[in-house]
Amino acid sequence: DQQVKQNSPSLSVQEGRISILNCDYTNSMFDYFLWYKKYPAEGPTFLISISSIKDKNEDGRFTVFLNKSAKHLSLHIVPSQPGDSAVYFCAASDTGKLIFGQGTTLQVKP
Amino acid sequence: DAMVIQNPRYQVTQFGKPVTLSCSQTLNHNVMYWYQQKSSQAPKLLFHYYDKDFNNEADTPDNFQSRRPNTSFCFLDIRSPGLGDAAMYLCATDEGGEYTDTQYFGPGTRLTVL
Repeated sequence: DQQVKQNSPSLSVQEGRISILNCDYTNSMFDYFLWYKKYPAEGPTFLISISSIKDKNEDGRFTVFLNKSAKHLSLHIVPSQPGDSAVYFCAASDTGKLIFGQGTTLQVKP
Repeated sequence: DAMVIQNPRYQVTQFGKPVTLSCSQTLNHNVMYWYQQKSSQAPKLLFHYYDKDFNNEADTPDNFQSRRPNTSFCFLDIRSPGLGDAAMYLCATDEGGEYTDTQYFGPGTRLTVL
């Protein structure tokens, strides 16, 4: 029973183009969503978050969109840079506990 | 810099030999978490402490125990490691405030069981 799903295990984009990472969830009680970035041999690093009362949050090159009716969120990175190559996890908060997706490996090609 | 530190970064143990993983934080956060992450899988929450209150996840095996002697430190004890316990173990902290659920992670400890 996976409450948070990232259906694309990997994504490859060209430097300078937009990267779009997707995440779906099943629990309508989730009220806070986060994206983490993870490099090999390091722990996840917090990237950006969004409350369920919003539909968009932007921080520099990173924008998270939330569609509550579709139970879907996405992370847009524009322009993508080679240093963005990493595993991206989405997570949803259930009374303070985080439920993670399986991750999407993003490769940004120079 | 305020941070979450995990020691050791790599731990090798033998089947059945007890092992302890360590986590410390300088963020002065109320909540500390332990996650297990296996390859290509989502991090799985094992348990967490809110201050001194221990909260175990229902599906965490009894083989896994935790101690939090003070605000800064939290330990994960694996009493009798099996081959299936080989994984990355991640420690995370959280302020514990009402309006934020952002967790901050340490670099992880990679556990190998021989």
